[in-house]
Amino acid sequence: GQQVMQIPQYQHVQEGEDFTTYCNSSTTLSNIQWYKQRPGGHPVFLIQLVKSGEVKKQKRLTFQFGEAKKNSSLHITATQTTDVGTYFCAGSGGAGGTSYGKLTFGQGTILTVHP
Amino acid sequence: DAGITQSPRHKVTETGTPVTLRCHQTENHRYMYWYRQDPGHGLRLIHYSYGVKDTDKGEVSDGYSVSRSKTEDFLLTLESATSSQTSVYFCAISRTRGDYEQYFGPGTRLTVT
Repeated sequence: GQQVMQIPQYQHVQEGEDFTTYCNSSTTLSNIQWYKQRPGGHPVFLIQLVKSGEVKKQKRLTFQFGEAKKNSSLHITATQTTDVGTYFCAGSGGAGGTSYGKLTFGQGTILTVHP
Repeated sequence: DAGITQSPRHKVTETGTPVTLRCHQTENHRYMYWYRQDPGHGLRLIHYSYGVKDTDKGEVSDGYSVSRSKTEDFLLTLESATSSQTSVYFCAISRTRGDYEQYFGPGTRLTVT
């Protein structure tokens, strides 16, 4: 079945440093989504990427979808303490077929930010 | 936040007992999902529903069953709880199958002793 690997598992940064998490799928994806989960909270949708090579920005966050639609990254510029949490990528199945919106989640990257 | 509630929010039960978790939505979304979250594993899909009485298995469905008799409610049942089912369970909803984002409930922390 489809597998989505995410690295690193943990990342500790000083406030103001940049942060990047990477996501790789064993199969071509139709789209990829990113979620953030604050400690003790539930996952919250951040963004969806659909097109090959797509790049989207949300303030200090930059999301990329690879040309082959098998990998993605999330980059945070100048981290702040409010960025603390776990970041998950989640891939939706390849072209064709009925996915019913099923997502395969990566293991997540736990980000801690030291003030 | 989307109108999703989960009950109970916390539960401690003994091995071998049946447990039912409830997910309730007020959004009238067609698609509903049950995940479990364990350290190092991210979120893993247990079962999902694509309509009333339409359900299917996810990647970790063994030991779990589901039912959906109304659009707004999606029940997850552990027929005979085991310690390996100690986890945090999240329900999620999605508007369509057209690759729209999923909205998650607050989660249920289940401990099986």
